[in-house]
Amino acid sequence: GQQVQQSPASLVLQEGENAELQCNFSTSLNSMQWFYQRPEGSLVSLFYNPSGTKQSGRLTSTTVIKERRSSLHISSSQITDSGTYLCAKSGGSNAKLTFGKGTKLSVKS
Amino acid sequence: AQTIHQWPVAEIKAVGSPLSLGCTIKGKSSPNLYWYWQATGGTLQQLFYSITVGQVESVVQLNLSASRPKDDQFILSTEKLLLSHSGFYLCAWSRGDGNTLYFGEGSRLIVV
Repeated sequence: GQQVQQSPASLVLQEGENAELQCNFSTSLNSMQWFYQRPEGSLVSLFYNPSGTKQSGRLTSTTVIKERRSSLHISSSQITDSGTYLCAKSGGSNAKLTFGKGTKLSVKS
Repeated sequence: AQTIHQWPVAEIKAVGSPLSLGCTIKGKSSPNLYWYWQATGGTLQQLFYSITVGQVESVVQLNLSASRPKDDQFILSTEKLLLSHSGFYLCAWSRGDGNTLYFGEGSRLIVV
């Protein structure tokens, strides 16, 4: 089965609302990364977060290894946040990175 | 600062024709290098990785091959394209195992 499951598959927000994106993994974790995929396809690294909580501006990532989950919180969403958010886990090293299917976020004015 | 450049940006190729996609990293010696592929609407899949010149490990084959002829260059190729090769190809680098991945802008391939 799918080693990395993301939810929700899609999300529509009004500008200013907060969002919580989830990533659950079924096998052991060595690292967890979050990426933003632009509409044209290119990827931007958001967080490398194997455990604990990290914050960058309006984004916060929390990984709880015991519960096999990681989350990405977006506060005060903006239209420019629209796109697809991907999480990816590595069970050993970056040599094998498994991606989730992504959460497609749409922020409307 | 490190930069990663992929070429070509996009290609339309015929079934059975050869393919070569390239990736160059500047500003970082001995990076780990990776190729990823994403079918339209699909999940990103890791294809190959390389931790040193001349060494490439396959993760998912898809009738493609990869080579690392220079420390800063990673090439993805095949002699005969299939329709199933269509999609978006991304090259990435990292400083080492367990570190952040940095992606190129990608190459979009349509096989007809």
